[in-house]
Amino acid sequence: QVRLQESGPGLVKPSGTLSLTCAVSGGSITTTDWWGWVRQPPGKGLEWIGEIFHSGSTRYNPSLKTRVTLSVDRSRNHFSLKVTSLTAADTAVYYCARVDGAGGINWFDPWGQGTLVTVSS
Amino acid sequence: SYDLTQPPSVSVSPGQTATITCSGDTLGKKYVSWYQQKPGQSPVLVIYGDNRRPSGIPERFSGSNSGNRATLTISGTQAMDEADYYCQTWDSNKYVFGTGTKVTVL
Repeated sequence: QVRLQESGPGLVKPSGTLSLTCAVSGGSITTTDWWGWVRQPPGKGLEWIGEIFHSGSTRYNPSLKTRVTLSVDRSRNHFSLKVTSLTAADTAVYYCARVDGAGGINWFDPWGQGTLVTVSS
Repeated sequence: SYDLTQPPSVSVSPGQTATITCSGDTLGKKYVSWYQQKPGQSPVLVIYGDNRRPSGIPERFSGSNSGNRATLTISGTQAMDEADYYCQTWDSNKYVFGTGTKVTVL
């Protein structure tokens, strides 16, 4: 059973960079699945950030593309997220998730427990 | 951009049927998944591919998708089903989530 666990700083400064890692356990990151990030501002809905394949191929939300970088480390079985030029609007719970499915039928399962990142000086 | 609209809230009595809608342009031509999120917890997949239930999800959860609307139905709603529910689809190389619906079991 695959499990995901996010880690990283909970407080970052405005204009700074957010860096999070998602550790995958119970299975290999080198499967046919993609691996994604979703965020949720406090009291608000879900927003897709992007996804990465173990080869390094990426897809990003156009609204965040200029500030987001995803990477993967196959040897450590984890993938990472970086978001630059932070503002208070980036304050959110950040989730990592496996993107399962194929052929236009895709879904997020399972999800990590999420980590709250607050952008504040 | 593509938007998925859900009613902000739905109320249901225990044992009754809760119906949660998700509206989007030609949504019936896309595949829809649904997630349940309880307070302070991560989302949990309850329906994928419009109407498929993951293992471990009770049979009272079902889904459909046609025209411009997808529907999540909870039959025989239980108190434990009180949560926020989000629909999700894929459009123009982007995953899109619905606005979310809070289901209250009165």
